[in-house]
Amino acid sequence: KNQVEQSPQSLIILEGKNCTLQCNYTVSPFSNLRWYKQDTGRGPVSLTIMTFSENTKSNGRYTATLDADTKQSSLHITASQLSDSASYICVVSSTNTGGFKTIFGAGTRLFVKA
Amino acid sequence: DGGITQSPKYLFRKEGQNVTLSCEQNLNHDAMYWYRQDPGQGLRLIYYSQIVNDFQKGDIAEGYSVSREKKESFPLTVTSAQKNPTAFYLCASSIWDGAGYNEQFFGPGTRLTVL
Repeated sequence: KNQVEQSPQSLIILEGKNCTLQCNYTVSPFSNLRWYKQDTGRGPVSLTIMTFSENTKSNGRYTATLDADTKQSSLHITASQLSDSASYICVVSSTNTGGFKTIFGAGTRLFVKA
Repeated sequence: DGGITQSPKYLFRKEGQNVTLSCEQNLNHDAMYWYRQDPGQGLRLIYYSQIVNDFQKGDIAEGYSVSREKKESFPLTVTSAQKNPTAFYLCASSIWDGAGYNEQFFGPGTRLTVL
C-alpha cells in the first residue's frame, strides 16, 4: 500500500534553534518528493522538490534530503523563526503506465516559541 | 495564494442541503484539483481535471460533483449524499505533465461545517 508517514506529529522548539522533520514512504514506483509548508487556515506552499537522483535541496533556511534506497526524507530548518510555525507536509508522487498518483503525509505541526 | 482563489472562506450548511464551493485561477493552468483535509490526515483527492470539459474521480469522489466549463473555474458541489462533509476543502492548479512533477498551487481553502 502506498503510504507516507511523517514524524514527529508535532514539535515545539525555541526561536533560533534548529530542527529536523522526518518522512518515510512506501510509495512505488517513485517519481518525486516535495515538502510543503501550510500556515494555519491557508493552503500549502511548496518549499522543495526532489527527484530520484537528488540527495539534497535547499531553499533558504530549509534543507531537504532524500535517501531513495531507504525511502526516507528529512526537512531541516536552521535558525528557526516565529514565522516557521506551521504544518510541514511531505508529498510523494508515483508514476506508472496508468498515470500518476500523489500521496500526502499527515504533516508535522511545528510550534516555534519566543 | 499564487493567483488561485476560493470562496467563501467559511460555509455553514444544514444537513440535506447541497452546497457549491468556488475555485478560480488566473495562472493559465490546464489542471485543477480538489482536496479534502481532515485533522490528523493527509490531503485526499476528491476530483481532478486535466483539461476543460473533462474531469476524473479521485480517491474519495462519492457524494461530490464537479464541472469544468471554463479553464479558470472548477467548482465543487458537496451533495447531501456525502456522509461526513464537515472538513477543510482545498483547490489547487498546476501545469499538467502526467507525472506529478509540476508544483500544485493551492488556494486559501474553504472550511465547510454541517450543522
